[in-house]
Amino acid sequence: NAGVTQTPKFQVLKTGQSMTLQCAQDMNHEYMSWYRQDPGMGLRLIHYSVGAGITDQGEVPNGYNVSRSTTEDFPLRLLSAAPSQTSVYFCASRGVSGANVLTFGAGSRLTVL
Amino acid sequence: GDSVTQMEGPVTLSEEAFLTINCTYTATGYPSLFWYVQYPGEGLQLLLKATKADDKGSNKGFEATYRKETTSFHLEKGSVQVSDSAVYFCALSDGAGGKLIFGQGTELSVKP
Repeated sequence: NAGVTQTPKFQVLKTGQSMTLQCAQDMNHEYMSWYRQDPGMGLRLIHYSVGAGITDQGEVPNGYNVSRSTTEDFPLRLLSAAPSQTSVYFCASRGVSGANVLTFGAGSRLTVL
Repeated sequence: GDSVTQMEGPVTLSEEAFLTINCTYTATGYPSLFWYVQYPGEGLQLLLKATKADDKGSNKGFEATYRKETTSFHLEKGSVQVSDSAVYFCALSDGAGGKLIFGQGTELSVKP
């Protein structure tokens, strides 16, 4: 049982480049979310989804797009990367009866030069 | 809006010392409260939780009590080990939406 799988683990981009961070879960979880972790800031919610075809913005959505075409996958897209998006990104999911307990992926470290 | 405030780190302790990491929250409703732990190079994992006032969450020797009167959820452990070195995050859920709001994290370093 893989849980939440994120790829890539590390990525370096130049300003203006685009990329997609992949997130997949095999637990049939309805709820999926993306957080970014920055020093001294904790984790901040970027986007989340309560099911296939449904997405919504979190606390810091600007510069990021998401889609949820299947229950399993929730990719995060950076259309034009900026140095301010240098961060560690975490995908997390939970089931309907998960009592709001999130299962996290191992993280993706992104550096934008 | 809802928020979580944790004591700043890093916290450095000797093995077998007593640990307290303070966490207070602001919420309009009746949130569930959580402590997550992040070991070096890994994602976050749930350490313990409490869903209503006066509940005590416990796991691996760690405890935290949901105190509605002081809006607090302090993490304690009677005797820390080197293997407890990690970053600890306090968090609250905003009810039906299921979103978690995190504190800034407290780094704990335990020396032998």
